[in-house]
Amino acid sequence: KNEVEQSPQNLTAQEGEFITINCSYSVGISALHWLQQHPGGGIVSLFMLSSGKKKHGRLIATINIQEKHSSLHITASHPRDSAVYICAVFTGTASKLTFGTGTRLQVTL
Amino acid sequence: KAGVTQTPRYLIKTRGQQVTLSCSPISGHRSVSWYQQTPGQGLQFLFEYFSETQRNKGNFPGRFSGRQFSNSRSEMNVSTLELGDSALYLCASSLDATYTQYFGPGTRLTVL
Repeated sequence: KNEVEQSPQNLTAQEGEFITINCSYSVGISALHWLQQHPGGGIVSLFMLSSGKKKHGRLIATINIQEKHSSLHITASHPRDSAVYICAVFTGTASKLTFGTGTRLQVTL
Repeated sequence: KAGVTQTPRYLIKTRGQQVTLSCSPISGHRSVSWYQQTPGQGLQFLFEYFSETQRNKGNFPGRFSGRQFSNSRSEMNVSTLELGDSALYLCASSLDATYTQYFGPGTRLTVL
């Protein structure tokens, strides 16, 4: 079993829909990253959080440390949100990131 | 502020050769981490350097090595290349390891 699990693996949505991507982890962590990867490979860090909730534009990330669970929400989705979203955690050895397998999101018109 | 740069962006090598990839971090960032991304294994941590010292290493064979220079620029080396080393190699820099990481565009290595 992977230390970091994401669901769903694939997601198709229509423009304007509210999207939720989930991440569960089985190890103790110091922080969690949500990353976005577009075709071509470039990765952008969307959020890094260790508690509570963060919001940036149409993106919201939450984390529940007790339940070892985080969610990434996209409100009013748009085709430009189409990408792979990856959850990654800093585990006990602080400088090492462990990654989920990613969620491939496609937003259609 | 300039972002993280990686050179070269694309590389084709043959089995048995060695390769050196370079990463220039954002100015002021002292932590540089390296990752390998393949379709089968996803993203995996290779190693992390901070102030010229390797602080952590992932589960990769000794053929994979790296170093960091006094200006924080980092290189990784893969010796005796195997077909399975074909991957996208990404580096990321940060002020320190548990701060937000900023990724470079990656080097796509193909081993024939």
